[in-house]
Amino acid sequence: AQSVTQPDIHITVSEGASLELRCNYSYGATPYLFWYVQSPGQGLQLLLKYFSGDTLVQGIKGFEAEFKRSQSSFNLRKPSVHWSDAAEYFCAVGAVMVGARRGNKLVFGAGTILRVKS
Amino acid sequence: NAGVTQTPKFRVLKTGQSMTLLCAQDMNHEYMYWYRQDPGMGLRLIHYSVGEGTTAKGEVPDGYNVSRLKKQNFLLGLESAAPSQTSVYFCASSYYDQPHEQYFGPGTRLTVT
Repeated sequence: AQSVTQPDIHITVSEGASLELRCNYSYGATPYLFWYVQSPGQGLQLLLKYFSGDTLVQGIKGFEAEFKRSQSSFNLRKPSVHWSDAAEYFCAVGAVMVGARRGNKLVFGAGTILRVKS
Repeated sequence: NAGVTQTPKFRVLKTGQSMTLLCAQDMNHEYMYWYRQDPGMGLRLIHYSVGEGTTAKGEVPDGYNVSRLKKQNFLLGLESAAPSQTSVYFCASSYYDQPHEQYFGPGTRLTVT
C-alpha cells in the first residue's frame, strides 16, 4: 500500500536560515509527488509537484524539492526562510485506486509544522 | 473564478444530528473528492467521484454518504453524527487527465458534541 512518512512533526528555524523538510514515500510505480502548505485556518495550497523528468523541481514562494528514487525521498528545501513561511507542510503521493469506480487519490503524510524564530 | 468553495465554514452538531456539507467548483473538473483532516494523520479520503452521477468509497467512508447530481457540486452527508466525526473536512477537484493535481477548498470545521 502507498504511504508517506514525514519524520519531523515540528521544526523550528530562525528567519533567514535554510530549511529542509523530509519526506519518504512508499509506492510501487513511478510516483507523482506533491508538497502542499497549509496556513492556520486555511486550505491547502500546492507548492510544487513532480511527475517526471528533472528530479529537482521548483515551486512557488522560493521552494524547491528533489526527487531521489534510490532513497524514496522527496525533500523540500528553501535557502532562506521568511516569517511568513510558518505553516504546516504536507507531502503527498498520487495513487491510483483500482476497482469498480477507478479513480485517483492523494496519500498524505502526517504533516510537519514549521515555526520561524525572529 | 472562485475555484473550490465549501459551505458552511464552521458547524457544531449534537450526537445523532444530521447535516450536509456542500462543495462547489467552477473549473469544470470531472473528479471531486472529500477528505477529512485529523491532527497527526494528514488528510484521508472519505469518498470521491469520477463524474456526474457517480460516487465511490475512499479510505474512511463509514458514517458518510455523498451525492453528485451536478458536475460542479459534491455533497457530503452525515446521517447520524458521532463525536469521532469531529474533524476538518476538505473538498478537492481535478481534471480527469491530471487526477493527481487536486485543487482544495478552504475547509469546513465540524465539531460533534
